[in-house]
Amino acid sequence: EAQVTQNPRYLITVTGKKLTVTCSQNMNHEYMSWYRQDPGLGLRQIYYSMNVEVTDKGDVPEGYKVSRKEKRNFPLILESPSPNQTSLYFCASKSGGRGHTGELFFGEGSRLTVL
Amino acid sequence: KNQVEQSPQSLIILEGKNCTLQCNYTVSPFSNLRWYKQDTGRGPVSLTIMTFSENTKSNGRYTATLDADTKQSSLHITASQLSDSASYICVVSMNTGFQKLVFGTGTRLLVSP
Repeated sequence: EAQVTQNPRYLITVTGKKLTVTCSQNMNHEYMSWYRQDPGLGLRQIYYSMNVEVTDKGDVPEGYKVSRKEKRNFPLILESPSPNQTSLYFCASKSGGRGHTGELFFGEGSRLTVL
Repeated sequence: KNQVEQSPQSLIILEGKNCTLQCNYTVSPFSNLRWYKQDTGRGPVSLTIMTFSENTKSNGRYTATLDADTKQSSLHITASQLSDSASYICVVSMNTGFQKLVFGTGTRLLVSP
């Protein structure tokens, strides 16, 4: 089954404790992206990757890092989480790195709470 | 400024009734427009994707329209069901050298029995 898998689905952590949210897709997609979703603000892009070893900032990259060492994986790293990073996070992937009409497949989301 | 605005913010309808959700955008250059359905606590799922040359596309009881001249789109839901209760998100893709999607904040639909 084609899917985007995120882990963990739920996480409560404390300020400053580094954490990583993993994302894996089994569709051989070139393009992957991370979003955060907050009430009233909709989905906002954090980082995206057009292909292996190619990453770029989205609209809200501050406080986050990513890496794309393999095509299927695109982890999101919070080096020193802060309470304003409490949010619902989604990973997504699509085929055709520079294409515009490919369907974007989303993961199930990771709800992060930073105390 | 590239923006996508959706209306209404929320909507309650009776099961079996039809409804229409609106999306206005100021995104340029335009590539395509997508509608997604997001169940509470789940990831968005694609309903339709329309390019500049398409002005209507259906997916079962969902029909999306696009007027690229007025930069408006609508999503019409026919014979609503309880399972249609969800948020519906309009997303416009920019025709640039990199993938840039502009998201609306969504319309929250509640279908009441």
